[in-house]
Amino acid sequence: QKEVEQNSGPLSVPEGAIASLNCTYSDRGSQSFFWYRQYSGKSPELIMSIYSNGDKEDGRFTAQLNKASQYVSLLIRDSQPSDSATYLCAVNEAAGNKLTFGGGTRVLVKP
Amino acid sequence: SAVISQKPSRDICQRGTSLTIQCQVDSQVTMMFWYRQQPGQSLTLIATANQGSEATYESGFVIDKFPISRPNLTFSTLTVSNMSPEDSSIYLCSVGGHFGIQYFGAGTRLSVL
Repeated sequence: QKEVEQNSGPLSVPEGAIASLNCTYSDRGSQSFFWYRQYSGKSPELIMSIYSNGDKEDGRFTAQLNKASQYVSLLIRDSQPSDSATYLCAVNEAAGNKLTFGGGTRVLVKP
Repeated sequence: SAVISQKPSRDICQRGTSLTIQCQVDSQVTMMFWYRQQPGQSLTLIATANQGSEATYESGFVIDKFPISRPNLTFSTLTVSNMSPEDSSIYLCSVGGHFGIQYFGAGTRLSVL
């Protein structure tokens, strides 16, 4: 059973601070990793993809991948109230095109 | 990314009935998927919709309960059959893009009374 684990939160951060989200996965052969943002009552929206070890930055978001440790993280810099949402970590199975999702981390950014 | 239209957006159904959810994409895609998201939970893959052949179901999901059609590369349907209150969920279709990325439709919020 392939697993993706996330802390459910809520992760409460003050406006302007850095939110740090973590995700671990069990399938050592996985090659593709994604972060989706899901607002309440809405469908998941892709915000970051990462495929190789290291950091990838896109605006206020930075994804970090460490395949040896089977660990993916997402940093949100200068957090805004509009960042309040559930963030889902998703991992592509090594053997196919399916995504396995973590349980999600709920983030609350307080003004 | 593709534009994905999913309908209905929500429905309230009676126990024992069936509901068919449609997913239309504005471009041809090879991979289409159906997910269920129960209240307060994450996404669980129901099946991969294969064009021209039977869908591939995940453990715990069966064709008799969740029949899927994929008549062409832009359209798929998911039917939730013989519904019970436990089927109350959000049902999402997604399409596969480059490098393993998936894009999601807006979802169907189903309530079964």
